[in-house]
Amino acid sequence: DSGVTQTPKHLITATGQRVTLRCSPRSGDLSVYWYQQSLDQGLQFLIQYYNGEERAKGNILERFSAQQFPDLHSELNLSSLELGDSALYFCASSAQGAGNTIYFGEGSWLTVV
Amino acid sequence: GENVEQHPSTLSVQEGDSAVIECTYSDSASNYFPWYKQELGKRPQLIIDIRSNVGEKKDQRIAVTLNKTAKHFSLHITETQPEDSAVYFCPRGGGNKLTFGTGTQLKVEL
Repeated sequence: DSGVTQTPKHLITATGQRVTLRCSPRSGDLSVYWYQQSLDQGLQFLIQYYNGEERAKGNILERFSAQQFPDLHSELNLSSLELGDSALYFCASSAQGAGNTIYFGEGSWLTVV
Repeated sequence: GENVEQHPSTLSVQEGDSAVIECTYSDSASNYFPWYKQELGKRPQLIIDIRSNVGEKKDQRIAVTLNKTAKHFSLHITETQPEDSAVYFCPRGGGNKLTFGTGTQLKVEL
């Protein structure tokens, strides 16, 4: 167990819908990362937050947004969902920035039908 | 930003043989070089890491070596076992943008 908690574990939704994925980092970790993993595109970095502020942005679509709350949990919002958004979404956390070990949650499997 | 090349993309070895995966990086700003392992359907997990002031680190059957001059670092797995079959990543980060890429698919055959 990495200490990073993600909910829901599985989610099936229809195209055009909106979903929210939730992440609780390890106790004491200030950084939260979101990654998208689909079959043919590896592990794609989406966005990183540090202590409530956005720190780095990857190839995150405009239909996607995220935030980190004062209690350090984070949410990833995916809207106007398309079939191609079906993927495994990982949250990870670290004590500080990218020069430290990051710990992954179990992921949220999103299927868009 | 950071440019990382990892190779090979796939690697198949016989059980008991050694496996070597290499990463070449472009940005020397980060002094932290981790390797992650991801089994099918599971989360990536750190298996070994090294700081740039150290040239080699070993943990049982796995080792990481760092060549700062050539800007590459390698993962070595000896006496491979079926449970070593997984995807291995050498993430690099420019600033806080930690990039994992597509990794190396290692298959250990019986």
